[in-house]
Order: sequence, then structure tokens, then C-alpha cells
Amino acid sequence: EVQLVQSGTEVKKPGESLKISCKGSGYSFSNHWIGWVRQMPGKGLEWMGIIYPGDSDTKYSPSFQGQVTISADKSISTAYLQWSSLKASDTAMYYCASSRPPNYFDYWGQGTLVTVSS
Amino acid sequence: SYELTQPPSVSVSPGQTASITCSGDGLGYKYACWYQQRPGQSPVLVIYQDSKRPSGIPERFSGSNSGNTATLTISGTQAMDEADYYCQAWDSSTGGIFGGGTKLTVL
Repeated sequence: EVQLVQSGTEVKKPGESLKISCKGSGYSFSNHWIGWVRQMPGKGLEWMGIIYPGDSDTKYSPSFQGQVTISADKSISTAYLQWSSLKASDTAMYYCASSRPPNYFDYWGQGTLVTVSS
Repeated sequence: SYELTQPPSVSVSPGQTASITCSGDGLGYKYACWYQQRPGQSPVLVIYQDSKRPSGIPERFSGSNSGNTATLTISGTQAMDEADYYCQAWDSSTGGIFGGGTKLTVL
């Protein structure tokens, strides 16, 4: 059974750094793309970026380029999304999702809620 | 920048057919997919590569994509289909993009 298990809820202050994780199991992690999707409170889905763990090829949405960093450690089947300096506007639910081709996501994690507040 | 436009809401009576559209410049030349998201839950893929159904998705869900519009059709709509639906397209140069989402109400 394919599973993506994300790290838990985070409460941070503006300016702090953060790295959240997504661990895949039940499939060949290295050969599937892993992406990240933002959903701000009461809003729609936003495609942030995607990484191919096999060679770390990464694509970012222009809206998120330079704002976050996506990485993966294929040795432990885990992908990451990180911020160097959080803003209140980063408050959202963040989902990881996987796909064999990069043009859709067929498996999703449970989501990680990030709250940034002073 | 590329945009996908969906109607904010669609209403349908139980047993009837619901159609949700997704419009974007030249969308028919890209692959489109659709996700269902129920309140408090993670999205679920219901259609990929324009018209394919993942395993476990009921046959009443179908999709098409031509010209500038992709369409998700739900035949014989059931109360359990009430949810938010998002289209998504992929461009090899800019990556993925979601539509704004459509709230489907079954009443």
C-alpha cells in the first residue's frame, strides 16, 4: 500500500526557519516525483513545486521560486519543504503528493498545518 | 502567467448529471486532471490525463479536454459527490497549475 506520511503540526514565529517532511512507503520512492501543494485557510490548492528523488531534478512554480526549498533524501524515502524565514502569510496546510509522471498527483499525504504568528 | 478558470459553484439534483468546466488558453494541448476534496480531507485524484480514471474511482466520473476547456462530468450524481473539485494542468516549462476550484452542491 502506497503511503505518504507527513510531519506534524507546526506553530512558529515570523522570521523563524522550518523544514517539514514527507516519508513515502509502499512504492519505489526514487522513481516517482514528489510535489508540494499549499492550501491557505478557506482557499484553493496551489502547486508549489516538484522533485524527482532519483536525481534531485526540481521544478518550482514561479510563484514559489526563491520562497521555499524542496529537497529529498532517497536513502530514507523522505522529501522536504523548507523555509529560511517564515512570514504570517505562510500560514497554511501543506500537502505532499506523488506521481510517476509529473503531470498529476495520484497519492497524497495527510497534510501538515503550519501556523506562523507572533 | 498561465491561468485556469473554474466556476466557483455548481449545483445539481441527486441522480442528475453535473458538469464542471476548466478553461485555459490552449488547455486542450496539455494534459488535464481533476481532484475531489471533501471538507477536512486531502485531495483525491478522480481523473488524470484528460479522461482516465484511477483504480477505485466510480465509472460515473468522466473527463474530456479539447480546445480551451476541460470538463469533469459526474453522471448520476450522489450526495457523497458533494465536495470541492479542482482541475490541474501541466506545462513542461512552468510545472503544474491548479484552477481556483468549484464547490459542487447536491441538492
